[in-house]
Amino acid sequence: AQSVTQLGSHVSVSEGALVLLRCNYSSSVPPYLFWYVQYPNQGLQLLLKYTSAATLVKGINGFEAEFKKSETSFHLTKPSAHMSDAAEYFCAVSFAGGTSYGKLTFGQGTILTVHP
Amino acid sequence: GAGVSQSPSNKVTEKGKDVELRCDPISGHTALYWYRQRLGQGLEFLIYFQGNSAPDKSGLPSDRFSAERTGESVSTLTIQRTQQEDSAVYLCASSIRVGEKLFFGSGTQLSVL
Repeated sequence: AQSVTQLGSHVSVSEGALVLLRCNYSSSVPPYLFWYVQYPNQGLQLLLKYTSAATLVKGINGFEAEFKKSETSFHLTKPSAHMSDAAEYFCAVSFAGGTSYGKLTFGQGTILTVHP
Repeated sequence: GAGVSQSPSNKVTEKGKDVELRCDPISGHTALYWYRQRLGQGLEFLIYFQGNSAPDKSGLPSDRFSAERTGESVSTLTIQRTQQEDSAVYLCASSIRVGEKLFFGSGTQLSVL
């Protein structure tokens, strides 16, 4: 069964500092991996996705994530945090093929706080 | 409409009553998904539709939960004989086809007293 683990339910950084949100997945077949973000009082929206092309994926708002098969990880990074990055971030996984292709399994979420 | 629309936005019901939650996906989106988010927890997959059929309904918690989709458009999630543990935000999402970017609605906050 597919699963996703996000390490750290809360991450706090200073404005301008590196953002690193960790995500590890469990899978016996190649996964599709996603990061979604939920800003306060808004719905979830896609930040970026990995679908077996380039292992380094660039998303919106300066975020990027690197797929590392050997570590079964898909960590999200941003070189310099901005106050507007404060939100809850969700890592998610799905798999190609079969009836479960449309089933996106989400991690527990990481709340990012950015302080001045 | 421009986005995924869910109704009602809030629903308060008494234990044992039935509730219906509605989702209007983005026009032209063939795939539709239902998720549940309990307070302080992540998103829990319930079911997804490809057109009007549901290839994977493995996430429905019990036989009190059912969902249908008609006309490759509106979907209804029905919870019969609601229990307090059903209290959660129920999120609907749609995508142009399975595997593509999900667009989420604002959710229905269900409170079972």
